[in-house]
Amino acid sequence: KQEVTQIPAALSVPEGENLVLNCSFTDSAIYNLQWFRQDPGKGLTSLLLIQSSQREQTSGRLNASLDKSSGRSTLYIAASQPGDSATYLCAVPARDDYKLSFGAGTTVTVRA
Amino acid sequence: DTEVTQTPKHLVMGMTNKKSLKCEQHMGHRAMYWYKQKAKKPPELMFVYSYEKLSINESVPSRFSPECPNSSLLNLHLHALQPEDSALYLCASSPRAPTDTQYFGPGTRLTVL
Repeated sequence: KQEVTQIPAALSVPEGENLVLNCSFTDSAIYNLQWFRQDPGKGLTSLLLIQSSQREQTSGRLNASLDKSSGRSTLYIAASQPGDSATYLCAVPARDDYKLSFGAGTTVTVRA
Repeated sequence: DTEVTQTPKHLVMGMTNKKSLKCEQHMGHRAMYWYKQKAKKPPELMFVYSYEKLSINESVPSRFSPECPNSSLLNLHLHALQPEDSALYLCASSPRAPTDTQYFGPGTRLTVL
């Protein structure tokens, strides 16, 4: 069974600092990995989907890297802003039925 | 239109009530999902519909009954719920399969008294 872990659980940084969020998974035979953002009490917003054949994926200030062999993905957010404050979750489809296994998330606070 | 809509936003119900949650998407997606999310936890999958057919049922109690009337609509019928069923209920859709990017709705905050 795929286990997905996100460390740290919470992170607080001053505005302008770069954010580094970590996601690790136990089964390296993944199809892809998705990063989501969730604001309090709201639904999830898809940020990036990185295919197993890719090493990284970029969208604006966001960059996600994937290292399947070590079972890790990292989400980088450049020049953080208070509006980046949210919980960030990574998710990996299970190998047999492709259901998403979510990490517990990293809650980010960007201080103005 | 890249939006998944959910109604109602909030719902308070008693344990003997019957209510329904509604989800709609007009992106032409053929896979739709119901998730349950408790506070400070990640979403838990409840049901998956693929091409309007129930493909995954995560051993959810029968007091939750999903329905997919057509490719754009997904309902979740609720009956005789328990207080521990109080949670945020999220609907999502994806083009064909769970491995595609999933687009989530804003959720329905359900409180069972």
